Amino acid sequence: EVQLVESGGGLVQPGGSLRLSCAASGFTFSDHYMDWVRQAPGKGLEWVGRTRNKANSYTTEYAASVKGRFTISRDDSKNSLYLQMNSLKTEDTAVYYCARPTSDYGDWYFDLWGRGTLVTVSS
Amino acid sequence: QSVLTQPPSVSGAPGQRVTISCTGSSSNIGAGYDVHWYQQLPGTAPKLLIYGNSNRPSGVPDRFSGSKSGTSASLAITGLQAEDEADYYCQSYDSSLSYVFGTGTKVTVL
Repeated sequence: EVQLVESGGGLVQPGGSLRLSCAASGFTFSDHYMDWVRQAPGKGLEWVGRTRNKANSYTTEYAASVKGRFTISRDDSKNSLYLQMNSLKTEDTAVYYCARPTSDYGDWYFDLWGRGTLVTVSS
Repeated sequence: QSVLTQPPSVSGAPGQRVTISCTGSSSNIGAGYDVHWYQQLPGTAPKLLIYGNSNRPSGVPDRFSGSKSGTSASLAITGLQAEDEADYYCQSYDSSLSYVFGTGTKVTVL
């Protein structure tokens, strides 16, 4: 079965750190770019960032709201994606989704999503 | 803050047709970037509904259709069913902000 399963969410104090993981199965993980998207409680979706594949040197890009605080990495040998979150703020409270972006002709969309993991930043 | 604007809510009776608009600007939809749509059922992850403005992934009923014109796009649901009650989000690319989502629209089946 093609799926993404996130883990690692929880309660963390402002200024703290947390590492999320996403386990992929059912497809050739190493071929794909992978993204993180988040959704604050009762709010809309916000793109967090991307890691490209080996063929594209595993380069990353981030939303302005997390740049310099969050780091995306991957381990193709474990079919896993990671999100290291540092200097967390209360506004980072959200469900974090692992998502697979796909491009048929240049424009990217997200054709596979995990169930998400909740991160709560609170004192 | 989202740069793609959607109506907060739309509603319709079973069998009716409803449309959801997604309004952008010259840096995203108006720049020629495609629009994609996602359905989020209560308590679940988003699911791809329409890609490339008007294409349906395998398994998505043909009751769902998408279109794009100028700086806006629309999602139409014809023959509305109770199972269509969900939140719907548009998504595109913005030349300044990267990947952007709409504000979201809650569809209620009366």
